Amino acid sequence: EVQLVESGGGLVQPGRSLRLSCVASGFTFEDYAMHWVRQVPGKGLEWVSRISWNNSAGYADSVKGRFTIFRDNAKNSLYLQMNSLRPDDTALYFCAKTGYSYGLNAHFDYWGQGTLVTVSS
Amino acid sequence: EVVLTQSPGTLSLSPGERATLSCRASQTVLSNYLAWYQQKPGQAPRLLIYGASFRATGVPDRFSGSGSGTDFTLTISRLEPEDFSVYYCQQYGDSQPYTFGQGTKLDIK
Repeated sequence: EVQLVESGGGLVQPGRSLRLSCVASGFTFEDYAMHWVRQVPGKGLEWVSRISWNNSAGYADSVKGRFTIFRDNAKNSLYLQMNSLRPDDTALYFCAKTGYSYGLNAHFDYWGQGTLVTVSS
Repeated sequence: EVVLTQSPGTLSLSPGERATLSCRASQTVLSNYLAWYQQKPGQAPRLLIYGASFRATGVPDRFSGSGSGTDFTLTISRLEPEDFSVYYCQQYGDSQPYTFGQGTKLDIK
């Protein structure tokens, strides 16, 4: 059974940093691109970042230069390093797995339950 | 960036009725790489349809997807009580960035 479990969220002051983690199980993690998607409570979904199976990274314009995505295949883990956080980064952050191995143009077939990040003074 | 516009914003129907949800793209969605997700309160999104018309594993056959190019539709043939939730479309043909529609809320009438 595929499982994705996020952690690392919390309350942080504007300008500070936070690192989110997502531990994966139930599939060959190293073969799949992974994503972070966020959702302001009560609002829609916003794609944040992706990392390919071979470590090619991509970012939404809203986080480019502030967030860094990386992975540790030995630990079956995905990370999102978030720096220079702003109040509008406040959201529930989901990690998601792509539906095809070795592909970037793929739907998101499994999602974690999310970890809440609140940026406020 | 491919902008996805979903309509209607809210759809009020009764159990047993047919639901038709629309997703329109600002430009052609490459290879019909269009997915639909269902999200219930307090839960993560759940994949329903990918490639515009392929049902994900375990999705009941009352859910179907259609369309191509810029116009896509999610149809629920006979609404069950558990189908009342929010639905999002997403394109993944242009991977920078991937984009979602703003969502359609399916309400019980």
